[in-house]
Amino acid sequence: SAVISQKPSRDICQRGTSLTIQCQVDSQVTMMFWYRQQPGQSLTLIATANQGSEATYESGFVIDKFPISRPNLTFSTLTVSNMSPEDSSIYLCSVATSGVSYNEQFFGPGTRLTVL
Amino acid sequence: GQNIDQPTEMTATEGAIVQINCTYQTSGFNGLFWYQQHAGEAPTFLSYNVLDGLEEKGRFSSFLSRSKGYSYLLLKELQMKDSASYLCAVVDSNYQLIWGAGTKLIIKP
Repeated sequence: SAVISQKPSRDICQRGTSLTIQCQVDSQVTMMFWYRQQPGQSLTLIATANQGSEATYESGFVIDKFPISRPNLTFSTLTVSNMSPEDSSIYLCSVATSGVSYNEQFFGPGTRLTVL
Repeated sequence: GQNIDQPTEMTATEGAIVQINCTYQTSGFNGLFWYQQHAGEAPTFLSYNVLDGLEEKGRFSSFLSRSKGYSYLLLKELQMKDSASYLCAVVDSNYQLIWGAGTKLIIKP
């Protein structure tokens, strides 16, 4: 298993600003993921954060809007840039300790973002 | 397209049994997960099925029929703490996780 922490737990931001969310894992993991979850909706994968290389983004998500860093095997950041009210959501990071994405994932507690 | 269908909401009584269904249409299949998510918290792993049949784990059981594109999560001896959303997720042929919208389960005394 893995213990994951996220900072901040919640934030209220103004339109046009940017917010960086941090994800810290208590052990080294190969695969880290960033998700978005709107209230009452399914999880939507934003990108896979790769250590030592650029993140892999899913359709509909681009690096300019959601830059991701992965400086080591225990830490990643997701920035939500030039925010608009449509970016209001819960952002979750998760890890797959087995090294493959399709095995059990462990999730952080999430960051609840409100954009005014 | 790829699709996961679950009921939006279900209500059950404490001590009873409830079955949450999940049907899927995906490009290939490499397993199905069930996760539990309490309000305001992160999803936590419940079960994984890749072969047909029933997997039992305490009060929770998960069933899979690959030919029917169907799974269910069975919760027995319901407790108030079981009130949560239950997410079904399928691993497709590209080993991508496709998530359902979740079923909100409400337990009444």
